[in-house]
Amino acid sequence: AQKITQTQPGMFVQEKEAVTLDCTYDTSDPSYGLFWYKQPSSGEMIFLIYQGSYDQQNATEGRYSLNFQKARKSANLVISASQLGDSAMYFCAMRGARAGGSNYKLTFGKGTLLTVNP
Amino acid sequence: NAGVMQNPRHLVRRRGQEARLRCSPMKGHSHVYWYRQLPEEGLKFMVYLQKENIIDESGMPKERFSAEFPKEGPSILRIQQVVRGDSAAYFCASTGTGGWGYTFGSGTRLTVV
Repeated sequence: AQKITQTQPGMFVQEKEAVTLDCTYDTSDPSYGLFWYKQPSSGEMIFLIYQGSYDQQNATEGRYSLNFQKARKSANLVISASQLGDSAMYFCAMRGARAGGSNYKLTFGKGTLLTVNP
Repeated sequence: NAGVMQNPRHLVRRRGQEARLRCSPMKGHSHVYWYRQLPEEGLKFMVYLQKENIIDESGMPKERFSAEFPKEGPSILRIQQVVRGDSAAYFCASTGTGGWGYTFGSGTRLTVV
């Protein structure tokens, strides 16, 4: 079974500053993928960034980077130079990487509500 | 728009009625997943389907809920005899072969009154 824990129900950050959203995971799968999604107040799920468990480097996508520490089972999202439009719920998720069946479903954490202050 | 299309965006049903939620996967995708998001919660997996087959329904409630993905047409999530506790956002996602390229639809917000 897979489990995602996001311990920060809410976070505040000043515009233009960086913020880190925490995510720890637990799995027995030898290979897996980690995802971050953004859910603004409009409700859609927006894919931000992906990290494979065997990727040598931390993933980056524009202002988003993933601080992946495999030994600690953590996959924190770092948002640099926060913007007002970054205010949203952020979800960490994972899935197994082996082919087939139940490995394809995503397991989500409960989310962190980020508020960017002007 | 070649994304995942869900309709309706909002659905209101009285207790005891049936709710039908539709999902058309992204072009070229043949795997469909349904997730439910209760208020203040993350998304929870319900069911995974390929054309005409249910692959994994481990997250589906045993009663009143069913899903299909016919050879032609969209995937349908059906909830019979809805209760207030079914009020939630229901998201559909699709992937290509290998289960990658997860793309979510905009969701259907079901309200049971």
